[in-house]
Amino acid sequence: TQLLEQSPQFLSIQEGENLTVYCNSSSVFSSLQWYRQEPGEGPVLLVTVVTGGEVKKLKRLTFQFGDARKDSSLHITAAQPGDTGLYLCAGAEDTNAGKSTFGDGTTLTVKP
Amino acid sequence: NAGVTQTPKFHILKIGQSMTLQCTQDMNHNYMYWYRQDPGMGLKLIYYSVGAGITDKGEVPNGYNVSRSTTEDFPLRLELAAPSQTSVYFCASSYSRGSTRTGELFFGEGSRLTVL
Repeated sequence: TQLLEQSPQFLSIQEGENLTVYCNSSSVFSSLQWYRQEPGEGPVLLVTVVTGGEVKKLKRLTFQFGDARKDSSLHITAAQPGDTGLYLCAGAEDTNAGKSTFGDGTTLTVKP
Repeated sequence: NAGVTQTPKFHILKIGQSMTLQCTQDMNHNYMYWYRQDPGMGLKLIYYSVGAGITDKGEVPNGYNVSRSTTEDFPLRLELAAPSQTSVYFCASSYSRGSTRTGELFFGEGSRLTVL
């Protein structure tokens, strides 16, 4: 069973601060996704990274895929209360068709 | 745009009862999945399907069954419900570009199940 470890598990910061969330594994993934989930709703896809070393930006969010495709990070610049939620990373494998492995998530709270 | 639709949204079940959670998607996706999410945790894969007529077990399949008779529908059956099955259940679908899975999941809003 492949494992994805996310850190930190909980993060509480003030509006305007920067933060980074990490997603680490000993396994190689063909692609990695980041999702955001709000209470009472399903996860919503933020980004997919595919190539080792890839960096993608989505407004104030920056996603990076490690060179070896085993780890990823999510950096948020100048966090806002609307960024509050559960952030999940998930790794997908083509060799194990149909399965994505999820980390346990990082619960982010941004205080105004 | 409906996307992935799950019913019911909430349900209370007694120990030993059985029920079916319904899931349907209108995006013509080949891949469909059932996950469960316990409080403060990530998602654990219960069952998945790579196409109509094909299903396979995920990490935590015990106590559940699935079927996939059409591309659109992927119901999850709970047999002899136990308190350990109290959870939020999410159905998701995914697609491939050519022969390559994208890994991108589209989720329903979830079904919150309590077993008492």
